Amino acid sequence: DVKVTQSSRYLVKRTGEKVFLECVQDMDHENMFWYRQDPGLGLRLIYFSYDVKMKEKGDIPEGYSVSREKKERFSLILESASTNQTSMYLCASSFVPAVDTEAFFGQGTRLTVV
Amino acid sequence: GENVEQHPSTLSVQEGDSAVIKCTYSDSASNYFPWYKQELGKRPQLIIDIRSNVGEKKDQRIAVTLNKTAKHFSLHITETQPEDSAVYFCAASKNRDDKIIFGKGTRLHILP
Repeated sequence: DVKVTQSSRYLVKRTGEKVFLECVQDMDHENMFWYRQDPGLGLRLIYFSYDVKMKEKGDIPEGYSVSREKKERFSLILESASTNQTSMYLCASSFVPAVDTEAFFGQGTRLTVV
Repeated sequence: GENVEQHPSTLSVQEGDSAVIKCTYSDSASNYFPWYKQELGKRPQLIIDIRSNVGEKKDQRIAVTLNKTAKHFSLHITETQPEDSAVYFCAASKNRDDKIIFGKGTRLHILP
């Protein structure tokens, strides 16, 4: 059973803080994703990684960076948190034998920036 | 890049009736179209998917249709039940190491 685990369920941070959101998957998946979920806007892709140390920008990368030093771990970094980054953050991973494989999601991290 | 449009944003149907959610995509190279269901407070989970070489796929009360010419795919839920109440997301991707782009979601309410 695939498990995608995000380090925190809820986080409260102050404006200007550097914030790390961690995601770990235990199924040796190549692809890992970070999405942001906001009401009415659905799931928007921030960054994704298709291999260790490889990353690509998604649709809304501004204000974020990522790190993938190991295959199982994909970190999302908010360099200087702002109130408009208050959101639900979802990590996902998928296997890559072919294109048609599902993404498995973590339970989400609800981040509040005050 | 790929853009996925999803309609409607909210849908209310009487229990036992059918529900249809529609999505369009922009990149003709997309060839995999999954649908996810997200129940309140839970993570999105895959419920059905379709590949570009297939026009229709059915799994019990859920079916998905794909029209590649029109770049349009739809989710059909028949005989709706209370547990079908959730947010549904469509998505599209094209290569095995490519990103998955989601629609904005449809909140489905099943009315008693």
